[in-house]
This record gives sequence, C-alpha cells and structure tokens, in this order.
Amino acid sequence: QKEVEQDPGPLSVPEGAIVSLNCTYSNSAFQYFMWYRQYSRKGPELLMYTYSSGNKEDGRFTAQVDKSSKYISLFIRDSQPSDSATYLCAMSEGGNNRLAFGKGNQVVVIP
Amino acid sequence: NAGVTQTPKFQVLKTGQSMTLQCAQDMNHNSMYWYRQDPGMGLRLIYYSASEGTTDKGEVPNGYNVSRLNKREFSLRLESAAPSQTSVYFCASRGGYSNTGELFFGEGSRLTVL
Repeated sequence: QKEVEQDPGPLSVPEGAIVSLNCTYSNSAFQYFMWYRQYSRKGPELLMYTYSSGNKEDGRFTAQVDKSSKYISLFIRDSQPSDSATYLCAMSEGGNNRLAFGKGNQVVVIP
Repeated sequence: NAGVTQTPKFQVLKTGQSMTLQCAQDMNHNSMYWYRQDPGMGLRLIYYSASEGTTDKGEVPNGYNVSRLNKREFSLRLESAAPSQTSVYFCASRGGYSNTGELFFGEGSRLTVL
C-alpha cells in the first residue's frame, strides 16, 4: 500500500459546479496536510495548509482532514475555468520532515 | 523576489550524454530538493539537501548525482543520460525564518533523452 493514495483520474465539471477531491493515507504520524495546485507547464504552488484534524476555508476552497479515517478532502465551490489545473495532496509528520505526495488529480472546468 | 530559479527550462540530450540542471533560491531556505514528475507517477524525490553541506538520496536516486554548492544553489547531474530519464524535473526549497513546512517549487526543467 502506497503511503498516500490519490486517484489520478481526470475530472471534468461544468463551470459553477462543486469539485470534490480526496486522498487517503496510511501513516498515522502525518500531522501537516497540504493541497498544491499546478497549472500546465508550471511548478506546484501551495493552495491550502492544515495542521491536524478539522476544516479550513479560504474563499471558494475548503480543506478537510479526518485523521481517524486517514482521509483528506479539498472542495472547490462555484468552480471557474481558472481552477483548471492539477491538484496534488501532500502531507508530512513535521515541519522539516519529507513531504509525501499523492499522484495528483487533473481538473478541467468547462465554461 | 525570484523564489526558486531553474535552468535550463528545456533540454534535449542523446543517450549517454551528460548534463547538469541548476537550481538557485533567494529565500534563505535551509533545505533543497530535486523531484521528477512523470505522467501517472506523480512527484518522486530524487535527492535532497537538509542543510548546506549535506545531501541524501530520495526514492529514485539511481543515475543522478547532486551538489549543494552553497546555501542558495543545488545542482542535479546526469552523468550518462538514458531515455528513462526523460521527465520534468522540479527543484524545491523550504525552511528559514518562517518555516511552515511549505515547499516552494521552481517552474521545472523539461528534459528529453533520445
């Protein structure tokens, strides 16, 4: 079992829809959870950052962490064509520990 | 503020040729990383340097060498390129005075080995 599982299948949604992405993980020591967004031909950029369990909201984006289920989610409300990108989950045990990445989900928002 | 700068952005090599990918960061970060990204494989760590003067292998180090030249610069060398090394390479850094564990990535170097 890989440390972080993220179904890499592409996702196409109409503009205005809710996008739901998720990752599962096996290492119960993970405490820092991140979502990176990567536009085509660019490097990944940090989108959301959560420490331990709970929800975090930033505008149209909501990140959820359920440590008891080892499951994290990212929701994008009122999706826009500019949200079309690959979204990678990442997690680590501590601030300086290595990051474990999921394979990424390609999201396409159709106008 | 340039962040993480990688050169070159594109390179085509023949099998057996050597080359070095350069990376520099201006954020006073302690740690630097080299990843490769392939379709369906995600980001895989090649080598990292936790601090100036140290380097360690990641999950896919074979065929690569690295040098942490100083705190700012971390280079990746392919001594004898193989077609399996065709990939997009990303340099990243993190750490410093406000360390949240966030990785800052460069824009990538696209390498094709024929």
